[in-house]
Amino acid sequence: SQQGEEDPQALSIQEGENATMNCSYKTSINNLQWYRQNSGRGLVHLILIRSNEREKHSGRLRVTLDTSKKSSSLLITASRAADTASYFCAGGSGSRLTFGEGTQLTVNP
Amino acid sequence: KAGVTQTPRYLIKTRGQQVTLSCSPISGHRSVSWYQQTPGQGLQFLFEYFSETQRNKGNFPGRFSGRQFSNSRSEMNVSTLELGDSALYLCASSLVAGPSYNEQFFGPGTRLTVL
Repeated sequence: SQQGEEDPQALSIQEGENATMNCSYKTSINNLQWYRQNSGRGLVHLILIRSNEREKHSGRLRVTLDTSKKSSSLLITASRAADTASYFCAGGSGSRLTFGEGTQLTVNP
Repeated sequence: KAGVTQTPRYLIKTRGQQVTLSCSPISGHRSVSWYQQTPGQGLQFLFEYFSETQRNKGNFPGRFSGRQFSNSRSEMNVSTLELGDSALYLCASSLVAGPSYNEQFFGPGTRLTVL
């Protein structure tokens, strides 16, 4: 079963704009991981934020985690056409990652 | 370091056959997990192996099985294939057991089509 929902399901923006994706999860987690997937290929790990962290940055990525609301957000700043992909959040707990349904991001040149 | 590799990349089988997929983790990684991705169900956990032992299994029928070798390479097997088994099968490796503690790195996947 899916961990939760991602919002929006699809997002279309212009190059240079910021993209924000939200993720809600249902169960307790030890960490939350964000992944990118290009067109049915493998998943690329973007960032991991632990349950005791509130915000984390990596390059143009900013992730926040609110464990009281069981939600996380991924912000991509100054987006590029190459950022076009599906983005998934995944809650890490025990032996498994439980994935959200994903957000399809399209960045138009 | 080389990333996670999966073979074969594409596979076409017919109903009733069986299939074996292979995964080589990143060098030094001892944990290997398998996931199934379909348009309808999304990404779902199949099982995790660490030090040749299955640590956890997802909600899949017994036709899905796996194993891990002493060099951490892993195989998964699906017997008596059904049309619904058509999916992208992803393997992920991590340094230590469980994604609770560290990142999981994914391979490119094996695209299985069952006719």
